[in-house]
Amino acid sequence: KQEVTQIPAALSVPEGENLVLNCSFTDSAIYNLQWFRQDPGKGLTSLLLIQSSQREQTSGRLNASLDKSSGRSTLYIAASQPGDSATYLCATTYTGNQFYFGTGTSLTVIP
Amino acid sequence: GAVVSQHPSRVICKSGTSVKIECRSLDFQATTMFWYRQFPKQSLMLMATSNEGSKATYEQGVEKDKFLINHASLTLSTLTVTSAHPEDSSFYICSARDRQMKDGYTFGSGTRLTVV
Repeated sequence: KQEVTQIPAALSVPEGENLVLNCSFTDSAIYNLQWFRQDPGKGLTSLLLIQSSQREQTSGRLNASLDKSSGRSTLYIAASQPGDSATYLCATTYTGNQFYFGTGTSLTVIP
Repeated sequence: GAVVSQHPSRVICKSGTSVKIECRSLDFQATTMFWYRQFPKQSLMLMATSNEGSKATYEQGVEKDKFLINHASLTLSTLTVTSAHPEDSSFYICSARDRQMKDGYTFGSGTRLTVV
């Protein structure tokens, strides 16, 4: 069974800092890996999706990398803003169906 | 983009009653929908996979008689929590796949269920 771990569980940074969120998974035979944002009591917003054949994806201030062989992914957020405060989840899929989610990193960006 | 509407967003019910949660794909057809739940401080866990016109597939440890899933059309799946108890209090969220989009999964906004 796939296990997805995210470190750190919580992170608090001052506005403007660059930061890295980590995700590790036990089974490297993934179909893709996706990073989501979850605001309190809300649903999920997809941020970046990396196919198993890709090494990274970028969207604005976000950059996600994937090292399938080592079972790791990172989400890099540049120049953090208070609006970035949320819980960030990474999730893997095998055949493109069921998601295996990590426990998330709760990010607080202090103005 | 693909939108999944989930209702209600919050519900409080008494122990022993049943609660129905709806997940509707607004602008696409979803042959498959997934139901997840999230307990506090824990990750989202898949409960069941519902396929239009057929019985849902439940994950190990999820009681199919307690969590009734109906996927009667290509745009609507419902999850009914029957005889709810306080331990069923959780955040429930659905996900639907757009058949036209590769890897196109969209999540609903979730339902916070509190059983008192």
